[in-house]
Amino acid sequence: TQLLEQSPQFLSIQEGENLTVYCNSSSVFSSLQWYRQEPGEGPVLLVTVVTGGEVKKLKRLTFQFGDARKDSSLHITAAQPGDTGLYLCAGVSGSEKLVFGKGTKLTVNP
Amino acid sequence: DTAVSQTPKYLVTQMGNDKSIKCEQNLGHDTMYWYKQDSKKFLKIMFSYNNKELIINETVPNRFSPKSPDKAHLNLHINSLELGDSAVYFCASSPGTANTEAFFGQGTRLTVV
Repeated sequence: TQLLEQSPQFLSIQEGENLTVYCNSSSVFSSLQWYRQEPGEGPVLLVTVVTGGEVKKLKRLTFQFGDARKDSSLHITAAQPGDTGLYLCAGVSGSEKLVFGKGTKLTVNP
Repeated sequence: DTAVSQTPKYLVTQMGNDKSIKCEQNLGHDTMYWYKQDSKKFLKIMFSYNNKELIINETVPNRFSPKSPDKAHLNLHINSLELGDSAVYFCASSPGTANTEAFFGQGTRLTVV
């Protein structure tokens, strides 16, 4: 069974701070996705990373895929209250299934 | 227009009842999924259909039966509901099995009492 471990599980910060959340596995994934989920809604795709070492930027969000394609990180610069939500990483396994981590619940306080 | 829509959004029912959740996508995608999100927010795949054919069937009790009348619809029927079935159920779709970027519905919060 392929597992994705996310850390931290909970993160509460003040507006303007920077943060990084991590997604780690002992398994190799062909690609990895990051989603954000807000209360009462379904997850929404933020980015997909495919190549080992790949870095993608989405405004203040920077996503990195590890060289060995086993881990990923999400860095948010100058966090805003609108960034509050549950951040989920999901890896694509060899059987073409999405395997989700348990998420990082981020709260950005004004 | 809602891309992936599922009904109902909330469902409260008694143990032992049978209930259905419906899902429709207007994205023209070939693949649809059912996921279960538990109280700890862990999201786990239950079923996947590609062009009306079942391609992924995780270890799910056979009280859960998906049905796909066409590639735009995937319904989930649950027999003899149990307390442990309480969760949020998400329908999702993606363009194809090789491209697994999923678009999720808003979820159905099922509460079994």
